[in-house]
Amino acid sequence: GESVGLHLPTLSVQEGDNSIINCAYSNSASDYFIWYKQESGKGPQFIIDIRSNMDKRQGQRVTVLLNKTVKHLSLQIAATQPGDSAVYFCANAGNMLTFGGGTRLMVKP
Amino acid sequence: DTGVSQDPRHKITKRGQNVTFRCDPISEHNRLYWYRQTLGQGPEFLTYFQNEAQLEKSRLLSDRFSAERPKGSFSTLEIQRTEQGDSAMYLCASSPTSLYEQYFGPGTRLTVT
Repeated sequence: GESVGLHLPTLSVQEGDNSIINCAYSNSASDYFIWYKQESGKGPQFIIDIRSNMDKRQGQRVTVLLNKTVKHLSLQIAATQPGDSAVYFCANAGNMLTFGGGTRLMVKP
Repeated sequence: DTGVSQDPRHKITKRGQNVTFRCDPISEHNRLYWYRQTLGQGPEFLTYFQNEAQLEKSRLLSDRFSAERPKGSFSTLEIQRTEQGDSAMYLCASSPTSLYEQYFGPGTRLTVT
């Protein structure tokens, strides 16, 4: 059945395609950002982070881009797999994490 | 398993009852955080500790909420006189210091009936 409150933006991609999830921020406590992945019923899981002295950082199949001029960051997932299906959050990390609205990624087989 | 653990994983309580949750952070992590997450939303900060000192509390943390970290290791979050609006996932996280990635536990899902 439908769950009340699940009004997350959804990105639906075909397995094997690349995914791009975007996040805009306004006033940030710091220039340190983290992307988290959250699967249903679990706590957020760290994916990748980026600090203000960088505009790009790559991990395994993931890349984060930070554009401080327009206050935007993105998470790129290469060759998206069914296991990537989850909700993705960007967070600004100062003394605490301030989370943006999440994006639900759905991977079609 | 050396990750963050939380207990219980699920709690159902009646309105007006008190509940207490426990969080065991990654050992030697000085910082411990509590967040609350409702369905479809990102986690919202409640409070954090540096060792045993509670350094900041969100205005979301009403007088009915209290958190402790008596020995600088595990922490407890107590909610007194629970209300239906307290129903949420309560997440604990830890980190070695500030401006560092935080590692989350599995959360405690609270349902107030």
